[in-house]
Amino acid sequence: EIVLTQSPGTLSLSPGERATLSCRASQSVSSRYLAWYQQKPGQVPRLLIYGASSRATGIPDRFSGSGSGTDFTLTISTLEPEDFAVYYCQQYGPSPLYTFGQGTKLQIK
Amino acid sequence: QVQLQESGPGLVKPSETLSLTCAVSGGSISTRPWWSWVRQSPGKGLEWIGEIYQSGSTNYNPSLKSRVTILLDKSNNQFSLKLTSVTAADTAVYYCARNGDYCHDSWGQGILVTVSS
Repeated sequence: EIVLTQSPGTLSLSPGERATLSCRASQSVSSRYLAWYQQKPGQVPRLLIYGASSRATGIPDRFSGSGSGTDFTLTISTLEPEDFAVYYCQQYGPSPLYTFGQGTKLQIK
Repeated sequence: QVQLQESGPGLVKPSETLSLTCAVSGGSISTRPWWSWVRQSPGKGLEWIGEIYQSGSTNYNPSLKSRVTILLDKSNNQFSLKLTSVTAADTAVYYCARNGDYCHDSWGQGILVTVSS
């Protein structure tokens, strides 16, 4: 099983700042198979990025994804108030087919 | 735009079977090959349960495989989840989701299932 470790666990920033979230895999993951989700309290996870760097439909361009191999990054260029949420990375690969990271909570400083 | 809606009992007794249905609206379930169930509990975060293909073929998480069955009902545009011999550890919000390119691009609202006597 591929384990995804996200860091930091909690990130405290202010609106207007840049956020950089990390997802590290225990084994190499194809870039095609890495996705990012946003989840606000009481809401459903929302797909932000798939294929490591492709934005999902309707996702603002301040969200970008990058990385390869075992290290992937989600960057939010300029934080808006609505961006404060929990972010999860997910990989598709060996059994189980899908695994998620434990999440990074992005909170207002 | 496709919408997914979970339904089923919110309370299940220990050792019994959890049964949920996911109704797909706004489009045919046949337009996408794979459909999944995912659950979320405070202790374990997001956990993929399994998926079903248009042919009825399934893939399950090995940690749950012995207890899980996912079925497809094309005539009613829905798919279902059965999880047997539940314990308190199965208490979670259960989501149905549409598979995209190695991800889940559309999710239901989720249903909280509590396992308790």
